[in-house]
Formats: sequence, C-alpha cells, structure tokens
Amino acid sequence: GEDVEQSLFLSVREGDSSVINCTYTDSSSTYLYWYKQEPGAGLQLLTYIFSNMDMKQDQRLTVLLNKKDKHLSLRIADTQTGDSAIYFCAETVGSASKIIFGSGTRLSIRP
Amino acid sequence: NAGVTQTPKFQVLKTGQSMTLQCAQDMNHNSMYWYRQDPGMGLRLIYYSASEGTTDKGEVPNGYNVSRLNKREFSLRLESAAPSQTSVYFCASRGDFPGLDEQFFGPGTRLTVL
Repeated sequence: GEDVEQSLFLSVREGDSSVINCTYTDSSSTYLYWYKQEPGAGLQLLTYIFSNMDMKQDQRLTVLLNKKDKHLSLRIADTQTGDSAIYFCAETVGSASKIIFGSGTRLSIRP
Repeated sequence: NAGVTQTPKFQVLKTGQSMTLQCAQDMNHNSMYWYRQDPGMGLRLIYYSASEGTTDKGEVPNGYNVSRLNKREFSLRLESAAPSQTSVYFCASRGDFPGLDEQFFGPGTRLTVL
C-alpha cells in the first residue's frame, strides 16, 4: 500500500546540520515534498524535488532523492532556533491529485 | 486573496452530535483535500476532490462525508461524532499547473468530541 515513513524526533545543536530522512513506497511519484509546520499553524511548503532529479539545493536546504531505495532526505545547514518545527515528507500517489504525508519529524534545537 | 479559509477554528461536540466543517479557497484550484492530524500520526487523508463534482476516499474516510459544493468550497460532515474523531482538521487545495503542484493549507479546525 501507500506509505511514507519518517522518524518522529530529531535533536541537534544550534549551528550543526540537521538531516531528516523519509522512505516512501510509490515508485511512480511525480513529486516529493517537504513541508514545515510551526506550533499551532498549518503546513507550509518548504521545498520539493521532481522525481527525475537526485539533488536540489535551495539556500540552507538540500534535498537528496535515491529513487532506487525510495529514500528522501532533507538537510538543513547551520540549524537555527527558528528551524524548530515538525517536518513532513509527502509524495504524490497514483493520480497526481492524491498526496500522502508521513507522520512528521519533530526537530528540536539544543543551545 | 485569502488563500484557504476554514471555519470554525475551534469546536467542542458531545458524542452523537453532528457538525459540518467549512472550507473555501479563492485560488481557482481544482483539487481540494481534507486531512486530520493526530499526535505521532502525521496527516491522514480523509477525502479529496480532484475537481468540482467529484470526491474520492482517502486513507481514513469512515465516519465522514464530504460535499464539493462548487469549485471554491469543500465541506466535511460528521453525522454522529465520536471521541475518536477528536483531532485537528486541515483543508488544503492545489492547482493543476504544469510543474509544481503545491498544496496550500488552511489554518486548521481543532475539534474535541466529549
């Protein structure tokens, strides 16, 4: 079936890099997304990668896609306290209208 | 341009009561979605609508009904609320442009069923 899996928690020291991992099941996914949710708010699109790419860089964010292993990662360089949030991985499934989300990874920052 | 709006923001129901969550978008998007968010479970898709007049079940449709009233509005109805439906509900919409199909989310409705 369709499934997106992520670890639930990650703690990093301020200034270090954070790496959030995700595995997905639908090999026909067109897009894979990373969303950020701050406390009490809805989700906002952080970045995305098209399925025919293996890497995308956007300022402090680097997305890596390994299609063979169906593994997606998000690296945040120089992690700041403002990066504290829940990060969701998502994939398009079947018809592009359907999007499935992972359980979210709560990123906490240590001083 | 308000994006995606949801009403109400908060609601408390007793078991067995019914209610409708409203969602509207002003971005002329074809696709709309209802999710529920529970701690440690992320977002689970309840129903979605790929276009006006069509609706499809998601991962957890039981206990819910939806109506795509027109292109702008997509409502979620609980006919007989149960404590297991205590959750935060998010509506989202998405355009159908070539390229990135970003989902835009509403602010959420926090529902408690006693």
